[in-house]
Amino acid sequence: EPEVTQTPSHQVTQMGQEVILRCVPISNHLYFYWYRQILGQKVEFLVSFYNNEISEKSEIFDDQFSVERPDGSNFTLKIRSTKLEDSAMYFCASSEGWGDETQYFGPGTRLLVL
Amino acid sequence: AQSVTQLGSHVSVSEGALVLLRCNYSSSVPPYLFWYVQYPNQGLQLLLKYTTGATLVKGINGFEAEFKKSETSFHLTKPSAHMSDAAEYFCAVANSGNEKLTFGTGTRLTIIP
Repeated sequence: EPEVTQTPSHQVTQMGQEVILRCVPISNHLYFYWYRQILGQKVEFLVSFYNNEISEKSEIFDDQFSVERPDGSNFTLKIRSTKLEDSAMYFCASSEGWGDETQYFGPGTRLLVL
Repeated sequence: AQSVTQLGSHVSVSEGALVLLRCNYSSSVPPYLFWYVQYPNQGLQLLLKYTTGATLVKGINGFEAEFKKSETSFHLTKPSAHMSDAAEYFCAVANSGNEKLTFGTGTRLTIIP
């Protein structure tokens, strides 16, 4: 069964450093998403991406965040200058459509900012 | 705007007993409702979803949920709990007006042998 994959599974970085989280969505999906879950809190939407551009983003997704689909398979989330409060589990998801279409989630990348 | 409330951050049931996890939603337009399960160190897996049509939906692993518009609820049930059901369960809402899922805070289900 096709699945969303994410790398790395864990990343530790120093405050102020740039990190890139990578995702490979399901191959025939057209919509891509990033969510995050701070420890003990709810899963929060960050951004959705369709047709090579951001289609929706939350207040959390400020100028330090960016997303890119550099080739036909990868979807990346870049955090330019990490802060302590960026420590969280980051989930990538993909779907064929939006609204009532199921979003399929990857296993997540646990980011720890020191 | 849309939101989800899950009553009970922790629920414990005995093996073989009924599982009931509560979810109430708020949405200004007809909602699409989802239940996801997260096993330790894994991603979110879809259990079931309601979009339109029959209000009682059946999912994987014997779970089902009923959409009750009058109560703005989408509670998750399973007649007989199994040890393998121990996990965190998230209710989520979406609608035709946007692409994002809005999640509840989750309910951690513990099964007592």
